[in-house]
Amino acid sequence: AQSVTQPDIHITVSEGASLELRCNYSYGATPYLFWYVQSPGQGLQLLLKYFSGDTLVQGIKGFEAEFKRSQSSFNLRKPSVHWSDAAEYFCAVGNFGNEKLTFGTGTRLTIIP
Amino acid sequence: DARVTQTPRHKVTEMGQEVTMRCQPILGHNTVFWYRQTMMQGLELLAYFRNRAPLDDSGMPKDRFSAEMPDATLATLKIQPSEPRDSAVYFCASSRDRANTGELFFGEGSRLTVL
Repeated sequence: AQSVTQPDIHITVSEGASLELRCNYSYGATPYLFWYVQSPGQGLQLLLKYFSGDTLVQGIKGFEAEFKRSQSSFNLRKPSVHWSDAAEYFCAVGNFGNEKLTFGTGTRLTIIP
Repeated sequence: DARVTQTPRHKVTEMGQEVTMRCQPILGHNTVFWYRQTMMQGLELLAYFRNRAPLDDSGMPKDRFSAEMPDATLATLKIQPSEPRDSAVYFCASSRDRANTGELFFGEGSRLTVL
């Protein structure tokens, strides 16, 4: 069974600082990996995804993530956060031919001035 | 601007009452998912449909929950009877194809409170 671990429940970052959110997955074959963002009172929105190829993927809003098979990780990064990035971030894993995604428990990001 | 529409956005009800949540997927999307979000459990997949046929409802308590797609533009999730532990935000999401591009389009959710 596939699973996702987001070890950080809550992270606080100063505006303009860099950000890294951690995600570890467990899956036997090559996974499909995703990051979604949820703003307060809203549904989830896809930030980026990895299926194959280049292990560094670019997403919307200036985010990027790197797939590291040896570490079973897919960490999300942004070089300089903005106050509008405050939200909850979810990592998810899936696989080809199976629409079901397994989501992590989420990391809540707080931005301080 | 295509979006998934869910109603109601908020629902407060008493234990034992029937609750029906509705979802209009994005036109042309053939796969529809129901997720439940709670602080304790996070996001849980309850059920999903492809081309209106139920594919997996293993995440749903069968004795009180039911999910249907009467037509391609409407998915429903019903709880009867409701219990306080059902209090959660219920999300509907839709996607376009079977290749699992992974882009699920989520609605804004239905926040259910059962007293």
